[in-house]
Amino acid sequence: DAKTTQPNSMESNEEEPVHLPCNHSTISGTDYIHWYRQLPSQGPEYVIHGLTSNVNNRMASLAIAEDRKSSTLILHRATLRDAAVYYCILENYGGSQGNLIFGKGTKLSVKP
Amino acid sequence: GVTQSPTHLIKTRGQQVTLRCSSQSGHNTVSWYQQALGQGPQFIFQYYRKEENGRGNFPPRFSGLQFPNDSSELNVNALELDDSALYLCASSLHQGFIDGYTFGSGTRLTVV
Repeated sequence: DAKTTQPNSMESNEEEPVHLPCNHSTISGTDYIHWYRQLPSQGPEYVIHGLTSNVNNRMASLAIAEDRKSSTLILHRATLRDAAVYYCILENYGGSQGNLIFGKGTKLSVKP
Repeated sequence: GVTQSPTHLIKTRGQQVTLRCSSQSGHNTVSWYQQALGQGPQFIFQYYRKEENGRGNFPPRFSGLQFPNDSSELNVNALELDDSALYLCASSLHQGFIDGYTFGSGTRLTVV
C-alpha cells in the first residue's frame, strides 16, 4: 500500500484556519485519500475522504492536488476540541479492504 | 455508535482473551486494530458478511467472529507481553468507501 508523509506536529490558534498537509507521491489511480483524527483516550474518528475532486463536509474540507501527489486537510476555524492526532491514509479500492495503514500522524495543538 | 467491552482488562501471559464489539446499526463490516502506546493503529483483520475479508500481519492466534447481528469478537490465544495494547473495533457500510469507518473507544489490554 502507498505511503503518506505528514509533519510530526503543528500548532494553531483558536478560531484561525488550519491547513494540515500530506504527501503521497506514490499514490495509485484507485487509492482514496482518507483523513481520521484521534482525540486523547478515544478511537480514531472519520473526518473526510476523497478521490480526485476537492471535498467539503461539516467537519472540514479536503483539497487534493491536481496530480494527486499531495492533499491538505483544512479546518476552517480551529477550536480547542480539534486538538488531536490527524492521520492521512490511502486506501485502495479493490485492495485489502479495511486495511487502513495509519502512520504516526500530525499532532495538532490549538492555543486559546 | 460502536461499543466495545470490556474497557480495560488484565491477563497473564499464556492466557486467552475475548474482546467484544457491537457495530453501529446498519453497518455490515467490522475491522479490528491494535494500537501500541504512541503508535498509530495496526490492522488485524476485517469481517464482511461473517467471512474474513482481509488480514494484516498478525499470527493465527489472533482470530475473530462476526455474528448475525453484526456484532463481533476478537480472540487472542497464548497471550504474550507484546500483546499489551489498545484494541479498536471499527464498523462500516460497504467497507468504508461511503462514510468511512466508525471506531469504538477500544479495550485496553494489559498482559503481565
